[in-house]
Amino acid sequence: SAVISQKPSRDICQRGTSLTIQCQVDSQVTMMFWYRQQPGQSLTLIATANQGSEATYESGFVIDKFPISRPNLTFSTLTVSNMSPEDSSIYLCSVADLISTDTQYFGPGTRLTVL
Amino acid sequence: GQQVMQIPQYQHVQEGEDFTTYCNSSTTLSNIQWYKQRPGGHPVFLIQLVKSGEVKKQKRLTFQFGEAKKNSSLHITATQTTDVGTYFCAGRNTGGFKTIFGAGTRLFVKA
Repeated sequence: SAVISQKPSRDICQRGTSLTIQCQVDSQVTMMFWYRQQPGQSLTLIATANQGSEATYESGFVIDKFPISRPNLTFSTLTVSNMSPEDSSIYLCSVADLISTDTQYFGPGTRLTVL
Repeated sequence: GQQVMQIPQYQHVQEGEDFTTYCNSSTTLSNIQWYKQRPGGHPVFLIQLVKSGEVKKQKRLTFQFGEAKKNSSLHITATQTTDVGTYFCAGRNTGGFKTIFGAGTRLFVKA
């Protein structure tokens, strides 16, 4: 399984500002995902980030609000732009197993609070 | 669209009691995964089931995939306080590209 780190682990931000979350993997992976999880809730997929192509966003999420970069096979960033209190959540990155691609390994998450 | 429903939402058990969570899909699944998320932690992959009627065991955990590949269950025998957390199922429908997570079942174990 892959080892994934995320930065920052948590942050408190003012509304109207932007935060970039970094996701680093210890091995090369093809498929990376970004999720949002409200406390006590399930995981909501924001987008799929594959290296060499633009991210694919799920319904309700747009690139202007959540721009994603995937410069190489071990790194990705998610930016939460023009934040409002409704963006307060835990943001998780995950990677797909190289062989069993439906299996995902998750990073520790970034807890974001917007005031 | 594809939906993955999970019940119960919460379960309180006394330590030593058994626990089962059920996952039902509106469509036939290619496979199903189970994850555990400890309080304050992130989801951790437990197992993947692929074959119709498949049963897998991990110590006190038993995972089943239904014959029609539309439902699955996770059974924990003789729960321990270390089993506390939320258990999620996740599946991708046949021919689909996206994995859908269930709402999760939160397990509380009283010592």
